Parts: sequence; structure tokens; C-alpha cells
Amino acid sequence: GEDVEQSLFLSVREGDSSVINCTYTDSSSTYLYWYKQEPGAGLQLLTYIFSNMDMKQDQRLTVLLNKKDKHLSLRIADTQTGDSAIYFCAESITTGTYKYIFGTGTRLKVLA
Amino acid sequence: DTEVTQTPKHLVMGMTNKKSLKCEQHMGHRAMYWYKQKAKKPPELMFVYSYEKLSINESVPSRFSPECPNSSLLNLHLHALQPEDSALYLCASSLGQGPPKNIQYFGAGTRLSVL
Repeated sequence: GEDVEQSLFLSVREGDSSVINCTYTDSSSTYLYWYKQEPGAGLQLLTYIFSNMDMKQDQRLTVLLNKKDKHLSLRIADTQTGDSAIYFCAESITTGTYKYIFGTGTRLKVLA
Repeated sequence: DTEVTQTPKHLVMGMTNKKSLKCEQHMGHRAMYWYKQKAKKPPELMFVYSYEKLSINESVPSRFSPECPNSSLLNLHLHALQPEDSALYLCASSLGQGPPKNIQYFGAGTRLSVL
């Protein structure tokens, strides 16, 4: 199937680290993406990782990729209240159209 | 600059109205996308244009009619919509359709309510 799974909800305290997980479907996906969506807004590209990498770090964000298990994670260090949003992972499928398959989304709530 | 501009931000229309949503980018991107997003759900792809030609139509009802007049502009014409079409409509663009050029940048969306 084409379901990309994420846990629905995550709550953390300000200053802690957040880890958002994603299980994707297409083992031959070349790129995987993380987007952030604040209430009433569009999707903001946070970061992406190429499939030949295991890890990518970008300031407070760390992406880990386990191709064997088709598992992707996003770690946000020193989580702030402004990080409260819905986070979507996405994979770019390789069967001709290269369209995105989005995950179900994880709502992150940061408690002050 | 990674800006995709969508207008209007909000739209309320009756089931017999005709309206249009507009999307514009000036990043030189040659692929543009329309998505529909219901509350608390991921975006669902509707249409993809590549080099101003329709390349993907995800079996969208004909009451939604896309148009790509030039490489910077994408329209979505709406006619005889149903209340269940109420949603956030998102536009996105990318350099191209295949990797590594298909990193998509999204607009802020148009919130559509059909009465």
C-alpha cells in the first residue's frame, strides 16, 4: 500500500528534545522530506535527506534515515513553543510520476 | 526567495457560483501542483503541470478545472462545487517533476467554504 505512517500526537516540555517518527513505503524512494504546518498556514519545507545518507543535521534539526526498516525520524533540539505545529514526512515515489506521498501528520504540542 | 503566492486567502461561494483560485511563483520553477487538504489530514494531490502541460490528474471531478497560462501562473477554476469541497487548497511549485528537482515549495493556501 501507499500509507506513510506517523504517530498522531506528541507533547514535550519547552527546552526538551522532540523526536517525530515516520515509516514510509517505497524502499527505492530517493528523497524524503519533512514539512511543518502551522494552524491555517501552508506547508513549510524544513529539511530533506537523500537516500544514500544516514543522517543530516541542520541547526536544531537532525534527520535519521534507516533504509532497511524504512524508518525516518526528525529530532528537534531545544524545542520552543514556536515549534508547535503539525509535521508531515513525505516520500517521492519512483514509479514514473515522482509524486509525493505524505505521512498522516504528527501534531507537536510544546508546553511552556 | 522560495515564495509561492496564492490568492485569495479566503473564499466563500455558493454551489452555483463560478470562481477561480490563483497561484504565482517567480522562482523559475517548471512544475506546479494543486493539492486539497481537509482538516487534520495530509494534502491530497489533485493536478500537476510540468512545463505548462497537464501531466497528472488524480481523477478530480470536472467541477475543478486547472489552467496554466504561463510558467509562473497556475489557476484553478471552480464551478458548481459541493459543500464537501470546502477545504484548504494548496499550490506548490518545484524546479522540475523528477528528483532532485522535485523539492516542492508551498503557498499559504486558499481556505474555501462552499455554502
